Amino acid sequence: DQQVKQNSPSLSVQEGRISILNCDYTNSMFDYFLWYKKYPAEGPTFLISISSIKDKNEDGRFTVFLNKSAKHLSLHIVPSQPGDSAVYFCAASSQGGSEKLVFGKGTKLTVNP
Amino acid sequence: DAGVIQSPRHEVTEMGQEVTLRCKPISGHNSLFWYRQTMMRGLELLIYFNNNVPIDDSGMPEDRFSAKMPNASFSTLKIQPSEPRDSAVYFCASRRTGTGANVLTFGAGSRLTVL
Repeated sequence: DQQVKQNSPSLSVQEGRISILNCDYTNSMFDYFLWYKKYPAEGPTFLISISSIKDKNEDGRFTVFLNKSAKHLSLHIVPSQPGDSAVYFCAASSQGGSEKLVFGKGTKLTVNP
Repeated sequence: DAGVIQSPRHEVTEMGQEVTLRCKPISGHNSLFWYRQTMMRGLELLIYFNNNVPIDDSGMPEDRFSAKMPNASFSTLKIQPSEPRDSAVYFCASRRTGTGANVLTFGAGSRLTVL
């Protein structure tokens, strides 16, 4: 049973446009959410996180939105750049982030020049 | 800081052989995680340790898999005997507990192919 779901295996956008990656979760105990980015032949690297006490967190071109009632979060990248092409994993944790991370299957983002 | 170091980076073996994957976490990090990545299941947690003690091994597929952490700077994941369905990329990750954010630092992974 997938507790963290990324229903879009892939996404393609034009350089300069907005990329929106979506993630849904089922476990209501999750209260801390993270996005990781992964390039080929490398390990995932942390990108941005959000606590359930917030509904938005911003870091430069990256913004994560959390809708607790819908159990949904999204990552916005504006403007998208070719270097953003990677696999993006959504992850969730409970107890303020101290518990183990549960990952989604990932979404492969391709940003075309 | 050399990051999380995994070895080997690539392993090709035949069914039935023993496989040992190794991990050196970041110095000062007291939690260590083993993940496996496959196309079908994405990134799934196999086991994690806090202060060298296994906390949750519910993700370990079956008895063929075992993991140890004899000290704070070394961990192994062993598969014996290996099967073709074990083919995947195995990631080790570490973090320092109590720092607030549950941010893991991952190694580059060990790609295992079982023929």
